[in-house]
Amino acid sequence: EAGVAQSPRYKIIEKRQSVAFWCNPISGHATLYWYQQILGQGPKLLIQFQNNGVVDDSQLPKDRFSAERLKGVDSTLKIQPAKLEDSAVYLCASSTVSGRNYEQYFGPGTRLTVT
Amino acid sequence: GENVEQHPSTLSVQEGDSAVIKCTYSDSASNYFPWYKQELGKGPQLIIDIRSNVGEKKDQRIAVTLNKTAKHFSLHITETQPEDSAVYFCAASKAGFQKLVFGTGTRLLVSP
Repeated sequence: EAGVAQSPRYKIIEKRQSVAFWCNPISGHATLYWYQQILGQGPKLLIQFQNNGVVDDSQLPKDRFSAERLKGVDSTLKIQPAKLEDSAVYLCASSTVSGRNYEQYFGPGTRLTVT
Repeated sequence: GENVEQHPSTLSVQEGDSAVIKCTYSDSASNYFPWYKQELGKGPQLIIDIRSNVGEKKDQRIAVTLNKTAKHFSLHITETQPEDSAVYFCAASKAGFQKLVFGTGTRLLVSP
């Protein structure tokens, strides 16, 4: 089966600009996650969707970050305006609750550099 | 909230040796503990996981052990190979489809 797809793979912007990332989860996976991974650290959850509803966005900086998941499939994560500290890899993951199989599968990530 | 600590931060071994990475967690309600391998430029890949009703799980050269009383779990890799070189992350969650809290990662280098 196809994995989690993300685009773009790389993005360089100046501070105060805006940027958007796209994610297409594994087909049939109802749960979608966006993680932020700063260099040298483990991924940190930003937001979790169950179908098209938000389950957890407690660590999302809502003054500048927003995310949506239309029709319960694809998702976009937006940053506006970007700050230098937003430089990181943004990972999308998906999972399904089916019996005992609820592993999270990650995409390749989008590396964002804010200058 | 949950906090996961991981040690060591770097680990260098010779090919064929064993490698052990240890993690501790703080929330006794956590019951799902996956391990991920991340290669350069790629997303984390699940390599093995364990649930709180199991003390040990093996998959070929990889094993994970869990001590719920002490709130720690470990990854064991035997007969290491150069292709095992990567960053390994432990994580914990209260259920598999809830958020994962990751450790800080261990960079494993296996020298031929």
